[in-house]
This record gives sequence, structure tokens and C-alpha cells, in this order.
Amino acid sequence: DVKVTQSSRYLVKRTGEKVFLECVQDMDHENMFWYRQDPGLGLRLIYFSYDVKMKEKGDIPEGYSVSREKKERFSLILESASTNQTSMYLCATRVRGARTATYFGAGTRLSVL
Amino acid sequence: QQQVKQSPQSLIVQKGGISIINCAYENTAFDYFPWYQQFPGKGPALLIAIRPDVSEKKEGRFTISFNKSAKQFSLHIMDSQPGDSATYFCAASRRYSSASKIIFGSGTRLSIRP
Repeated sequence: DVKVTQSSRYLVKRTGEKVFLECVQDMDHENMFWYRQDPGLGLRLIYFSYDVKMKEKGDIPEGYSVSREKKERFSLILESASTNQTSMYLCATRVRGARTATYFGAGTRLSVL
Repeated sequence: QQQVKQSPQSLIVQKGGISIINCAYENTAFDYFPWYQQFPGKGPALLIAIRPDVSEKKEGRFTISFNKSAKQFSLHIMDSQPGDSATYFCAASRRYSSASKIIFGSGTRLSIRP
């Protein structure tokens, strides 16, 4: 079974803090993704990575950055957290190719106060 | 042109009934259309997927109907059960996309009443 592990289920941070969300996968998948899930808006892609040290912006990259130093690990960074970044964050992985399943972690619910 | 529009936003169905969720897309380059199921506290998981060369795919009680000319596809859940209560996302992607991205619909929260 593919395992996508997100380091925290719940996080509470203060406005202006730097926030790190960590994701680890155990299936040697090339592609890794960070999505944000908000009611009525579905899953919106923040950033993705198709290889170590490679990254591309998704649909809503503003206010976020990412890091992929090892194949199995993909980090999402909120440089200066703001209240409008309160959301559910989902990490996902997929083997190379578009016609394959995407595997999601359980999510991190982030509250920025 | 990259959007996938999903409806309804929420749906209540009686146990044993048929649940129907609809999606529409614009980009004719899309060639893979999966549906994901998400239970509370879990990430979405692939439920069933279809390619545009077929008009229907069935797996157990779940069926995808695909209308290429109308650029629409739908998920039908037959004999809906309380355990089917979840949020469902349709999605689309295109082969050989350098971005390797999947575009998700906005989601449908399905509740099956006993």
C-alpha cells in the first residue's frame, strides 16, 4: 500500500509565523503535490515537484514556497502565515504519467490566528 | 479552459436510491477522468476512472458515464448505502502534459439517509 504521511494532523499558528508542513512518501513516486482544500473550492494545487530539487507553481502559489531535497520528502513553507491561509492542506504523490492514481495523505488542518 | 465544473455541491439521497454527480470540462485535450472519494478525516482516494474512448465504465455499484461530444461525465452510485456518504471529486488530466497536473472539480458532499 502507498503511504503518504503528513507530519501533523492539526496545527495552530500565529499571524506572521513561518510554518513548515512536511510530507513523506514510501513509494518512490516521482511526482509530489501540495493542495489546499476549502469548502466549495475543491482541491487547488499550490505547488508540485516532478523530481528532486525541481518544482513548479500550481494555481495558487502566492504566499507559499516548497522544498524537495530528497525524493521521498516534500515540504510546504508558509513564509509569513496569514489568516487567509487557514485551511486543510493535502500532500499527494503520483508516479510519472497522467493516467495514474494520485495518492493523498490524510491532511493537515492549519489554523492561523 | 482548464476548469472542471462539478454539480451539485451537496446531495442527499435515500438509502437504496441512485446518486448522480455531474461534471463538465472545456479542454478537449483531457483524456483521463478519475473520480475520488473522500471520507471525513481522510485524504481523497481513487474510486474509479475512465478514458474517453469508452462511454461507460462500471465497477460494482459505481458507474461513470462519459459523453465526449457534450464534454460531460457523471458518476452514478446504484443502491446507495450510508457507507457511501462522503465527498466526491471529479477530475481530469491530459496525457503527455509536461505539468503532469490533474484538475479537480469543486466536490460534492453526498449524504445517504437510512
